[in-house]
Amino acid sequence: GQSLEQPSEVTAVEGAIVQINCTYQTSGFYGLSWYQQHDGGAPTFLSYNALDGLEETGRFSSFLSRSDSYGYLLLQELQMKDSASYFCAGGNRDDKIIFGKGTRLHILP
Amino acid sequence: DTEVTQTPKHLVMGMTNKKSLKCEQHMGHRAMYWYKQKAKKPPELMFVYSYEKLSINESVPSRFSPECPNSSLLNLHLHALQPEDSALYLCASSLGTSANNEQFFGPGTRLTVL
Repeated sequence: GQSLEQPSEVTAVEGAIVQINCTYQTSGFYGLSWYQQHDGGAPTFLSYNALDGLEETGRFSSFLSRSDSYGYLLLQELQMKDSASYFCAGGNRDDKIIFGKGTRLHILP
Repeated sequence: DTEVTQTPKHLVMGMTNKKSLKCEQHMGHRAMYWYKQKAKKPPELMFVYSYEKLSINESVPSRFSPECPNSSLLNLHLHALQPEDSALYLCASSLGTSANNEQFFGPGTRLTVL
Protein backbone atom coordinates (compact mmCIF):
# COMPACT_ATOMS: atom_id res chain seq x y z
CA GLY A 1 0.00 0.00 0.00
CA GLN A 2 0.92 3.64 0.00
CA SER A 3 0.81 6.32 2.65
CA LEU A 4 2.29 9.77 2.88
CA GLU A 5 2.70 11.61 6.16
CA GLN A 6 3.00 15.35 6.53
CA PRO A 7 2.34 17.77 9.41
CA SER A 8 -1.25 18.93 9.63
CA GLU A 9 -0.39 22.59 10.23
CA VAL A 10 2.62 24.88 10.05
CA THR A 11 2.81 28.56 11.02
CA ALA A 12 5.43 31.00 9.78
CA VAL A 13 6.00 34.74 9.52
CA GLU A 14 5.76 36.78 6.34
CA GLY A 15 9.16 37.10 4.69
CA ALA A 16 10.52 34.00 6.43
CA ILE A 17 11.39 30.52 5.13
CA VAL A 18 9.31 27.44 5.91
CA GLN A 19 9.87 23.75 5.22
CA ILE A 20 7.03 21.23 4.91
CA ASN A 21 8.15 17.64 5.30
CA CYS A 22 6.69 14.52 3.76
CA THR A 23 7.60 10.93 4.53
CA TYR A 24 6.18 8.13 2.51
CA GLN A 25 5.68 4.40 2.37
CA THR A 26 4.84 3.27 -1.08
CA SER A 27 5.49 0.20 -3.15
CA GLY A 28 6.94 0.85 -6.59
CA PHE A 29 7.60 4.48 -5.78
CA TYR A 30 7.75 6.67 -8.85
CA GLY A 31 8.30 10.23 -7.73
CA LEU A 32 6.99 12.85 -5.34
CA SER A 33 4.88 15.84 -6.37
CA TRP A 34 3.71 18.89 -4.47
CA TYR A 35 0.42 20.70 -4.95
CA GLN A 36 -0.94 23.92 -3.47
CA GLN A 37 -4.62 24.43 -2.75
CA HIS A 38 -6.18 27.68 -1.56
CA ASP A 39 -9.49 27.56 0.29
CA GLY A 40 -12.30 27.10 -2.21
CA GLY A 41 -9.84 26.54 -5.03
CA ALA A 42 -8.45 23.64 -7.00
CA PRO A 43 -5.05 22.05 -6.40
CA THR A 44 -2.28 23.50 -8.54
CA PHE A 45 0.96 21.72 -9.34
CA LEU A 46 4.13 23.10 -7.78
CA SER A 47 6.91 20.59 -8.41
CA TYR A 48 7.94 17.00 -9.08
CA ASN A 49 11.00 15.06 -7.94
CA ALA A 50 11.83 11.71 -9.49
CA LEU A 51 15.48 11.64 -8.45
CA ASP A 52 17.30 12.57 -5.26
CA GLY A 53 18.18 16.20 -4.81
CA LEU A 54 16.79 19.66 -4.91
CA GLU A 55 14.54 21.16 -7.60
CA GLU A 56 14.16 24.93 -7.54
CA THR A 57 11.35 26.95 -9.07
CA GLY A 58 11.43 30.57 -8.04
CA ARG A 59 10.64 30.94 -4.34
CA PHE A 60 9.69 27.26 -4.06
CA SER A 61 12.11 24.34 -3.89
CA SER A 62 11.45 20.65 -3.42
CA PHE A 63 13.81 17.98 -2.18
CA LEU A 64 13.74 14.20 -2.34
CA SER A 65 15.79 11.48 -0.66
CA ARG A 66 14.63 8.10 -1.90
CA SER A 67 16.89 6.20 0.50
CA ASP A 68 15.15 7.97 3.42
CA SER A 69 11.66 7.90 1.81
CA TYR A 70 11.53 11.59 2.58
CA GLY A 71 10.95 14.83 0.82
CA TYR A 72 10.23 18.43 1.64
CA LEU A 73 8.87 21.60 0.12
CA LEU A 74 10.77 24.79 0.94
CA LEU A 75 9.04 28.12 0.59
CA GLN A 76 11.20 31.25 0.77
CA GLU A 77 10.32 34.93 1.19
CA LEU A 78 6.88 33.96 2.38
CA GLN A 79 3.99 36.12 1.24
CA MET A 80 0.48 36.26 2.68
CA LYS A 81 -0.84 34.73 -0.55
CA ASP A 82 1.15 31.57 0.27
CA SER A 83 -1.40 30.78 2.99
CA ALA A 84 -2.90 27.57 1.66
CA SER A 85 -2.87 23.80 2.04
CA TYR A 86 0.09 21.95 0.60
CA PHE A 87 -0.13 18.30 -0.42
CA CYS A 88 2.66 15.93 -1.21
CA ALA A 89 1.60 13.24 -3.65
CA GLY A 90 3.32 9.98 -4.44
CA GLY A 91 3.11 8.09 -7.68
CA ASN A 92 3.72 4.45 -8.34
CA ARG A 93 4.18 2.29 -11.40
CA ASP A 94 0.45 1.56 -11.51
CA ASP A 95 0.02 5.23 -12.46
CA LYS A 96 -1.89 5.97 -9.27
CA ILE A 97 -1.27 9.23 -7.47
CA ILE A 98 -1.91 9.17 -3.73
CA PHE A 99 -2.10 12.46 -1.85
CA GLY A 100 -0.85 13.06 1.66
CA LYS A 101 -3.35 14.50 4.13
CA GLY A 102 -2.13 18.02 3.52
CA THR A 103 -0.36 20.69 5.54
CA ARG A 104 -2.23 23.88 6.29
CA LEU A 105 0.25 26.79 6.15
CA HIS A 106 -0.65 29.84 8.24
CA ILE A 107 1.34 33.00 7.63
CA LEU A 108 1.50 35.74 10.22
CA PRO A 109 2.16 39.36 9.24
CA ASP B 1 -5.70 27.08 -23.52
CA THR B 2 -4.28 25.63 -20.30
CA GLU B 3 -7.54 25.24 -18.47
CA VAL B 4 -9.77 22.44 -17.28
CA THR B 5 -13.41 23.50 -17.04
CA GLN B 6 -16.13 21.85 -15.01
CA THR B 7 -19.88 22.30 -14.95
CA PRO B 8 -21.92 22.89 -12.94
CA LYS B 9 -20.05 24.72 -10.18
CA HIS B 10 -22.67 23.77 -7.62
CA LEU B 11 -25.22 20.98 -7.63
CA VAL B 12 -27.90 20.06 -5.12
CA MET B 13 -29.70 16.78 -5.71
CA GLY B 14 -32.01 14.41 -3.93
CA MET B 15 -31.21 10.78 -3.38
CA THR B 16 -33.52 9.68 -6.20
CA ASN B 17 -32.22 12.13 -8.80
CA LYS B 18 -29.99 11.43 -11.77
CA LYS B 19 -27.48 14.13 -12.68
CA SER B 20 -24.20 14.43 -14.55
CA LEU B 21 -20.99 16.34 -13.96
CA LYS B 22 -19.03 17.52 -16.97
CA CYS B 23 -15.35 18.21 -17.51
CA GLU B 24 -13.55 19.54 -20.57
CA GLN B 25 -9.94 20.23 -21.54
CA HIS B 26 -8.37 21.32 -24.80
CA MET B 27 -4.72 20.81 -23.96
CA GLY B 28 -4.39 17.57 -25.90
CA HIS B 29 -4.05 15.63 -22.67
CA ARG B 30 -4.68 11.90 -22.99
CA ALA B 31 -5.25 11.18 -19.31
CA MET B 32 -8.25 12.42 -17.37
CA TYR B 33 -9.22 11.86 -13.75
CA TRP B 34 -12.07 12.17 -11.29
CA TYR B 35 -11.30 12.92 -7.67
CA LYS B 36 -13.56 13.34 -4.64
CA GLN B 37 -12.53 15.78 -1.93
CA LYS B 38 -14.17 16.23 1.46
CA ALA B 39 -13.57 19.36 3.52
CA LYS B 40 -10.08 19.55 5.02
CA LYS B 41 -9.13 16.25 3.38
CA PRO B 42 -6.91 15.42 0.41
CA PRO B 43 -8.33 14.59 -3.02
CA GLU B 44 -9.17 10.89 -3.32
CA LEU B 45 -8.74 9.28 -6.70
CA MET B 46 -11.92 7.76 -8.14
CA PHE B 47 -11.30 7.02 -11.82
CA VAL B 48 -8.55 7.37 -14.41
CA TYR B 49 -9.08 7.42 -18.17
CA SER B 50 -6.16 6.88 -20.49
CA TYR B 51 -6.70 7.41 -24.21
CA GLU B 52 -10.46 7.42 -23.60
CA LYS B 53 -10.39 4.00 -21.91
CA LEU B 54 -11.06 3.47 -18.21
CA SER B 55 -7.76 2.35 -16.75
CA ILE B 56 -8.31 2.72 -13.00
CA ASN B 57 -11.47 2.40 -10.92
CA GLU B 58 -10.67 2.78 -7.24
CA SER B 59 -13.52 0.51 -6.11
CA VAL B 60 -16.01 3.34 -6.51
CA PRO B 61 -19.69 2.44 -5.88
CA SER B 62 -21.72 1.86 -9.04
CA ARG B 63 -23.92 4.86 -8.28
CA PHE B 64 -21.01 6.82 -9.82
CA SER B 65 -20.61 6.05 -13.51
CA PRO B 66 -17.84 7.71 -15.53
CA GLU B 67 -17.88 8.24 -19.26
CA CYS B 68 -15.29 9.60 -21.69
CA PRO B 69 -17.09 10.47 -24.96
CA ASN B 70 -13.90 11.80 -26.58
CA SER B 71 -10.39 12.88 -25.69
CA SER B 72 -11.52 16.32 -24.49
CA LEU B 73 -14.57 15.40 -22.44
CA LEU B 74 -15.14 13.50 -19.24
CA ASN B 75 -18.50 12.98 -17.56
CA LEU B 76 -19.51 11.58 -14.21
CA HIS B 77 -23.08 10.28 -14.07
CA LEU B 78 -24.69 10.25 -10.65
CA HIS B 79 -27.66 8.14 -9.59
CA ALA B 80 -29.18 7.25 -6.24
CA LEU B 81 -26.49 9.06 -4.28
CA GLN B 82 -26.29 9.16 -0.50
CA PRO B 83 -25.83 12.24 1.71
CA GLU B 84 -22.29 11.08 2.50
CA ASP B 85 -21.47 11.54 -1.19
CA SER B 86 -21.68 15.30 -0.69
CA ALA B 87 -18.21 16.63 -1.53
CA LEU B 88 -16.17 18.62 -4.03
CA TYR B 89 -15.69 16.61 -7.22
CA LEU B 90 -12.54 17.53 -9.06
CA CYS B 91 -11.63 16.68 -12.61
CA ALA B 92 -8.00 16.72 -13.70
CA SER B 93 -6.04 16.02 -16.84
CA SER B 94 -2.43 15.31 -17.70
CA LEU B 95 -0.35 14.62 -20.76
CA GLY B 96 0.04 10.97 -19.81
CA THR B 97 -0.83 8.77 -16.89
CA SER B 98 2.62 8.17 -15.46
CA ALA B 99 3.32 9.76 -12.11
CA ASN B 100 5.76 12.32 -13.47
CA ASN B 101 3.01 14.14 -15.33
CA GLU B 102 1.71 17.39 -13.90
CA GLN B 103 -2.02 17.18 -13.29
CA PHE B 104 -4.14 20.19 -14.16
CA PHE B 105 -7.23 20.45 -12.00
CA GLY B 106 -10.55 22.04 -12.80
CA PRO B 107 -12.31 24.27 -10.24
CA GLY B 108 -14.56 21.43 -9.14
CA THR B 109 -18.27 20.83 -8.70
CA ARG B 110 -19.54 21.22 -5.15
CA LEU B 111 -22.17 18.54 -4.74
CA THR B 112 -24.77 18.44 -1.99
CA VAL B 113 -26.99 15.36 -1.67
CA LEU B 114 -30.11 15.87 0.40
